[in-house]
Amino acid sequence: NAGVTQTPKFRVLKTGQSMTLLCAQDMNHEYMYWYRQDPGMGLRLIHYSVGEGTTAKGEVPDGYNVSRLKKQNFLLGLESAAPSQTSVYFCASSYSRQEWNMNTEAFFGQGTRLTVV
Amino acid sequence: EDQVTQSPEALRLQEGESSSLNCSYTVSGLRGLFWYRQDPGKGPEFLFTLYSAGEEKEKERLKATLTKKESFLHITAPKPEDSATYLCAVHPSRGHNTDKLIFGTGTRLQVFP
Repeated sequence: NAGVTQTPKFRVLKTGQSMTLLCAQDMNHEYMYWYRQDPGMGLRLIHYSVGEGTTAKGEVPDGYNVSRLKKQNFLLGLESAAPSQTSVYFCASSYSRQEWNMNTEAFFGQGTRLTVV
Repeated sequence: EDQVTQSPEALRLQEGESSSLNCSYTVSGLRGLFWYRQDPGKGPEFLFTLYSAGEEKEKERLKATLTKKESFLHITAPKPEDSATYLCAVHPSRGHNTDKLIFGTGTRLQVFP
């Protein structure tokens, strides 16, 4: 009964370092999302994917890249971390648009707290 | 522009003091409106989905309602364990946001014994 699992849960990076955040879901969902959450700004969409092999930009994509090589995994990469990328990152997944008569809520992971110093 | 506004930003209640949280939205057609609960240090947890005006959903002390412009989350006789941030999100059915959820910034609820 894992749902959406994010790895790692915490990370501290130095400015300029790179890292990859991993999101895995076991619900066979088509759609996957990466959000960042900052105080007073709510959840902001970074990138999303509507299926294996597809990705699209969200509201705040600059400085991030993503890949969806397998349906169950969605990776978020930071090529050169900056202090402005200090945030809590959430991954989520949901059913596809073709199944909108089913429960269509997004399921979230527990988050990754990233600090860039 | 698709937009979600939640009010108030923060709400302090005495245990047993009922109240309502508001979610006003502007979208190019509504596919669904979602309510989530988020505890500190955790990811948002799904509560309700509402699809059409007039619809209501209930779960324990929570009841969500929907009109064409807003949704309310009514909390009846809250307990301290209801303390959390409550998030509202909409899924547009038309325009360039049809593959996304648009979130509000949330209402932080504190219930004191």
